Amino acid sequence: EADIYQTPRYLVIGTGKKITLECSQTMGHDKMYWYQQDPGMELHLIHYSYGVNSTEKGDLSSESTVSRIRTEHFPLTLESARPSHTSQYLCASTSLTELNSPLHFGNGTRLTVT
Amino acid sequence: RKEVEQDPGPFNVPEGATVAFNCTYSNSASQSFFWYRQDCRKEPKLLMSVYSSGNEDGRFTAQLNRASQYISLLIRDSKLSDSATYLCVVNGAGNNRKLIWGLGTSLAVNP
Repeated sequence: EADIYQTPRYLVIGTGKKITLECSQTMGHDKMYWYQQDPGMELHLIHYSYGVNSTEKGDLSSESTVSRIRTEHFPLTLESARPSHTSQYLCASTSLTELNSPLHFGNGTRLTVT
Repeated sequence: RKEVEQDPGPFNVPEGATVAFNCTYSNSASQSFFWYRQDCRKEPKLLMSVYSSGNEDGRFTAQLNRASQYISLLIRDSKLSDSATYLCVVNGAGNNRKLIWGLGTSLAVNP
């Protein structure tokens, strides 16, 4: 069983608030990802990281930011939440060095901005 | 042409049926391939990695056809619990290989 954890599972917050979605993994994976997914829709990559101090923007433009100060931790921050940020956010990780290493996902954070 | 393409379905099949999905990819240098299953409002979960020689896990069989650049997933004796969206994922070449996700194929197994 993969060991990747996201908190909170559900978050309802008002417009303009700053929020941080937490993601931690205990597998020592170098590569970590954040995806955004609306119900019934495709996954969109918004951020990824190849290791400590490495962060890159994904295919979908996002107003969020990420940091990677420790290998195991990849938090995502929204400085000022808006209703358009309402979505499910999925964190994932994989090994950079292991061939054919699949992606392991956390349970997701379902964000609602009112 | 999209880098990874799947028939979105939905596939509606009766219990016990055999159903097959294909997924085509455009980058011939792609190195690894996976099938994921995603239930409604849940995270994707790894179903199977796809190996060059093909692989089987119980009722599920995955195959890779490099010449035609597609992977397939076969589900035998389908169960109600197999109802989900099946996502194809292709991993490119090199250390910075990019993961490309298909849009998924929706399967509904009916009693």
